[in-house]
Amino acid sequence: KQEVTQIPAALSVPEGENLVLNCSFTDSAIYNLQWFRQDPGKGLTSLLLIQSSQREQTSGRLNASLDKSSGRSTLYIAASQPGDSATYLCAPRGDYKLSFGAGTTVTVRA
Amino acid sequence: ETGVTQSPTHLIKTRGQQVTLRCSSQSGHNTVSWYQQALGQGPQFIFQYYREEENGRGNFPPRFSGLQFPNYSSELNVNALELDDSALYLCASSLIPGAVQETQYFGPGTRLLVL
Repeated sequence: KQEVTQIPAALSVPEGENLVLNCSFTDSAIYNLQWFRQDPGKGLTSLLLIQSSQREQTSGRLNASLDKSSGRSTLYIAASQPGDSATYLCAPRGDYKLSFGAGTTVTVRA
Repeated sequence: ETGVTQSPTHLIKTRGQQVTLRCSSQSGHNTVSWYQQALGQGPQFIFQYYREEENGRGNFPPRFSGLQFPNYSSELNVNALELDDSALYLCASSLIPGAVQETQYFGPGTRLLVL
């Protein structure tokens, strides 16, 4: 069974600071890994997808890395803004499902 | 291109009742997955449907059942509701299940409260 852990559980930073969100997973037999953003009480918005053969993926201020053999992924958010405040979830994909951790709740202070 | 939609947005039921939640896939997507997200936790996989057939199931009892229709929309049915079924129910659609480039796109969710 895939176990996903996200550290830290919560993070509060001043605007402009770079964010580093960590994700670890126990089963390295994955097809890909997605990072999502979730606003309170809302659905999930896909941010990035990293295929199992890739090491890195970038979209604007977001950069995600994947080390499949060690079961780790990291999401970097550059120059954080108050609008980045949300819960961030990582989800490695196994045979047919995504497995989720509890997420990291980020607060960016203006 | 329309995104994933879900109905209703909120629902209140009492213990023992039955509920049906609905999901319309993103245009062109043939796969729907359902997830349950309890407060403060990450989503948990319930099951997936691909071209109207169940393609995989998580650790949920048989009273959680589903359907996928020829237009790839989907229903989640829960019988004999329990208090612990209170959660946000999310559906996600995708194309080419199992492909390394498969991206799952989520709907806004249905918030179910069981009293």
